[in-house]
Amino acid sequence: KAGVTQTPRYLIKTRGQQVTLSCSPISGHRSVSWYQQTPGQGLQFLFEYFSETQRNKGNFPGRFSGRQFSNSRSEMNVSTLELGDSALYLCASSSTGVNTEAFFGQGTRLTVV
Amino acid sequence: QKEVEQNSGPLSVPEGAIASLNCTYSDRGSQSFFWYRQYSGKSPELIMFIYSNGDKEDGRFTAQLNKASQYVSLLIRDSQPSDSATYLCAVPYNFNKFYFGSGTKLNVKP
Repeated sequence: KAGVTQTPRYLIKTRGQQVTLSCSPISGHRSVSWYQQTPGQGLQFLFEYFSETQRNKGNFPGRFSGRQFSNSRSEMNVSTLELGDSALYLCASSSTGVNTEAFFGQGTRLTVV
Repeated sequence: QKEVEQNSGPLSVPEGAIASLNCTYSDRGSQSFFWYRQYSGKSPELIMFIYSNGDKEDGRFTAQLNKASQYVSLLIRDSQPSDSATYLCAVPYNFNKFYFGSGTKLNVKP
């Protein structure tokens, strides 16, 4: 069974640009969550999508957005990039149950210069 | 505000010893608790989870939960150098919104 796939693995962007990250969950999983991980703040929840609907949202500015497609693949977008957006962005896949295990992809390392 | 607290470490133990990692959480209504391991430069991988008070064993790993004290721990028996990593405690709320502790860095010395 294939795991969670995130693309790209690495990105370098310039301040003010925008970026789109992609996540393909484990087959059969309909919940996709996104997290930002930085050395100072640790793992922080961005948002969760379930059946193409945002079900949960973290405390991030509106520059961070996401969406989910009918095949459960998800994308997150960050607009007007700031230096502080440099982080490891992780996607987690979960089944349809409540409070079930979350399986992480390899992450996308975003560097904003 | 949901809080998950962990001692950041590093926790150093000799090879073969028992490593004990601790986590406290703020919400008494929390139902399930997860432990993840993260090697440097890698993504978190699930070790185990626990829902009920008491102990749950999986190989060399034992999770312990005490809901009255809002405390969950992870014991690693016969620690190996390959266990050296950061261990993250996670508590989900409202479906799959996970709150993570800051992680405890474990160093197992040969």
